[in-house]
Amino acid sequence: DQQVKQNSPSLSVQEGRISILNCDYTNSMFDYFLWYKKYPAEGPTFLISISSIKDKNEDGRFTVFLNKSAKHLSLHIVPSQPGDSAVYFCAAKLDSNYQLIWGAGTKLIIKP
Amino acid sequence: DVKVTQSSRYLVKRTGEKVFLECVQDMDHENMFWYRQDPGLGLRLIYFSYDVKMKEKGDIPEGYSVSREKKERFSLILESASTNQTSMYLCASSSPGEGYQPQHFGDGTRLSIL
Repeated sequence: DQQVKQNSPSLSVQEGRISILNCDYTNSMFDYFLWYKKYPAEGPTFLISISSIKDKNEDGRFTVFLNKSAKHLSLHIVPSQPGDSAVYFCAAKLDSNYQLIWGAGTKLIIKP
Repeated sequence: DVKVTQSSRYLVKRTGEKVFLECVQDMDHENMFWYRQDPGLGLRLIYFSYDVKMKEKGDIPEGYSVSREKKERFSLILESASTNQTSMYLCASSSPGEGYQPQHFGDGTRLSIL
């Protein structure tokens, strides 16, 4: 039972354009949603989070949107840069619990 | 900056061996985690610890145990390694607190069981 799903294993975007990574979830009890970025041979690094009581959070080139009615969140990267090429994981946290539930990841490739 | 250090980047062991994976963090974090990452499956939690000598099972604890004798160190033990435990193992730490406190990861140990 996958509670957090990233349906696109990979995404290719032209440098300078917008990258949109998507994530769907099933559990209404999640209180935070996160995005992590992972380069090969390195551990994941935290990128951005959003509380379930918000619908948008922005940090520089990165914006996360949350649509609770659709149980869907997305990460927008504008403009996309070559250094953004990585695997992006969506994850969710249950209230009062340290555990994260992770999606399978989406490999983002930024083409020059 | 938080540093989480995993003792080995690559490890090759044989079926039936007892395997120890070590993780040390330098930020005095209460929480520590062990995950395994497999293609198409994302990260799956094996065990976590919220204090010294405390541990909680994650989603896939079978075949593993953990030890946390000191706050900075969290060890993952494969009691009798099997080929289906070949994977990338990731350690993370975080501090408790209001809202979401990010987990900080080590660079991983790629373990092969032959």
